[in-house]
This record gives sequence, C-alpha cells and structure tokens, in this order.
Amino acid sequence: KQEVTQIPAALSVPEGENLVLNCSFTDSAIYNLQWFRQDPGKGLTSLLLIQSSQREQTSGRLNASLDKSSGRSTLYIAASQPGDSATYLCAANTGNQFYFGTGTSLTVIP
Amino acid sequence: GAVVSQHPSRVICKSGTSVKIECRSLDFQATTMFWYRQFPKQSLMLMATSNEGSKATYEQGVEKDKFLINHASLTLSTLTVTSAHPEDSSFYICSAFPGQGALNYGYTFGSGTRLTVV
Repeated sequence: KQEVTQIPAALSVPEGENLVLNCSFTDSAIYNLQWFRQDPGKGLTSLLLIQSSQREQTSGRLNASLDKSSGRSTLYIAASQPGDSATYLCAANTGNQFYFGTGTSLTVIP
Repeated sequence: GAVVSQHPSRVICKSGTSVKIECRSLDFQATTMFWYRQFPKQSLMLMATSNEGSKATYEQGVEKDKFLINHASLTLSTLTVTSAHPEDSSFYICSAFPGQGALNYGYTFGSGTRLTVV
C-alpha cells in the first residue's frame, strides 16, 4: 500500500526566506503527484500537479519537483510571505485514488 | 475549471440525530467521488469511494451503517452521518473524479464541512 510522508511536520521561517517542503512516497507507480494548501478549517486548494512523466512544475513563487525513481517530491516556495502560512499536503495518485501525506504546517513570521 | 460544491460548510447537531452532507460537481460529471475525514492536526483519511449507481466502497474501520453514502447521479454524492456522536465531530471533505481521462488531471475538492456534535 502506498505510504506518503512529509518532512518537516512543522516549519517556521521569517518573511522573505526561500524554503523547501519534502514529500516521499513508497510506491513509485504513480500517475501524478499533487500539492495542496489547506488553511485552518478550510478545504483544499490545489497548488501544483506534476504528471509522472514530468520532473517539475512552476506557478508563480512555487516550484514543485518530482523524482519518481527515488519516491520524492519537493515544493519550493520563494520569497515567503505571511500569507503563505498554511498546511501543505502532497498526495500521490496511484490510479483512481489519492494517498495523502501527513502535511507540513508552515508559519511565515512577518 | 472543474468545481465541486460541498454543503453545508458548518453544521452543529445534537447527539443521536443524523446529518447529511452534499457534494456536487458543478460543471462536470463525476463517475467517482471520494469522502475524506480529517481530525485536528492530522492528515486527510479516505473514508469511502462512491461510484455512481453502485454501492460505496468503504475503507477498513469505517462503519458503513453509520456513514451512509449515496451517489445517485453523476453530479451528486451525499454522506449521511447517522446517529451522530461527539466523536464523529470532524472535518469532512469530498473529492470528485471526472473519469479515466482525468488521470492526467488533478482532483477537485469540495470546501469541506465542519461537523460538531454536541
């Protein structure tokens, strides 16, 4: 069964710093991997989707990479802002089901 | 883009009563919908997979008689929490899967329902 973990569980950085969130998965047979953001008490907002054939995707200050062979994905956030404070989840799609990571709680300090 | 509407966003109910949560795909047909549950400070956990016109598939440990799922049409799935107890208080999120072609696309999630049982 696919297992997805995220490191670190929590991260606190000063505003303006660049940061990296890590996601690892045990089964490399995935169709795609998706990064989400979740604000407290809110639903998920999709940030980036990387297909299994791709190595990275970029959207604004966000860049996500995927290394299927090693079972890793990273989410890079450039020039962090207080509004980036949220929980970030990665999810591996192995077919028609998602497996979610444990999440990284990010706090950006003004 | 694909939009999923979930209703209600918040609900408070008394112990022993039932609560229905709706998940609608607004601009696409969803052959499969998923229901997730999230406890505080924990990740989302899949509860069940519902396929239009057939019975839902429940994950291990999820009581199917307590969490009734109905996917009567390609645009609507409902989750009914029956005889609710305080321990059922949680955040419930649905997700819709448009079909095989969407393997190349991301899933779409509802905005979630915060259930509080008092």
